[in-house]
Amino acid sequence: QKEVEQDPGPLSVPEGAIVSLNCTYSNSAFQYFMWYRQYSRKGPELLMYTYSSGNKEDGRFTAQVDKSSKYISLFIRDSQPSDSATYLCAMIQAAGNKLTFGGGTRVLVKP
Amino acid sequence: DAGVIQSPRHEVTEMGQEVTLRCKPISGHDYLFWYRQTMMRGLELLIYFNNNVPIDDSGMPEDRFSAKMPNASFSTLKIQPSEPRDSAVYFCASSSFRTSGSSDTQYFGPGTRLTVL
Repeated sequence: QKEVEQDPGPLSVPEGAIVSLNCTYSNSAFQYFMWYRQYSRKGPELLMYTYSSGNKEDGRFTAQVDKSSKYISLFIRDSQPSDSATYLCAMIQAAGNKLTFGGGTRVLVKP
Repeated sequence: DAGVIQSPRHEVTEMGQEVTLRCKPISGHDYLFWYRQTMMRGLELLIYFNNNVPIDDSGMPEDRFSAKMPNASFSTLKIQPSEPRDSAVYFCASSSFRTSGSSDTQYFGPGTRLTVL
């Protein structure tokens, strides 16, 4: 079993809909949680960064962390075709720098 | 800043040949990471350096893979001899270390798409 599980999708939604993405993990030592966006044939780029449990909002993006359930989520409101990409969750322990990535969820926002 | 620079962007080679991938991290960053991405296995960390010193190479698949960082602005990942199963996209990323002790954002390069025939 992988340390971080993420549904590969694809997830297809109409423009303007809310996109809901999530990851589950097994290692309780993870303290920092991130979401990366990766466009086709590009490197991943950081979208959201949260520490411990709670919510964080940035424009149309909201990241949630529930450490008790070992579950993190990313919501994209008012989705746009330009949001079509693969979204990877990533997490890191309190000490050290090794990011552990989920497998990524491919999202397609149709105009 | 130009971001993380990787070369070549595409590499096609035959089985048994030596392959060298190159990376120039963002100036001032003291951490450098090499990742491999495939459809089957996703994004995997191969090795990372701190201040040019390899810290963790537990992700390097086997002895055919080696990585070096001779200075703060250059790193190489070498595969010798290459095999078809090494076909993947190889990413380099760099970051700096926060004073709080947590890692800073990792900035990824555009990747090198390797095909071994």
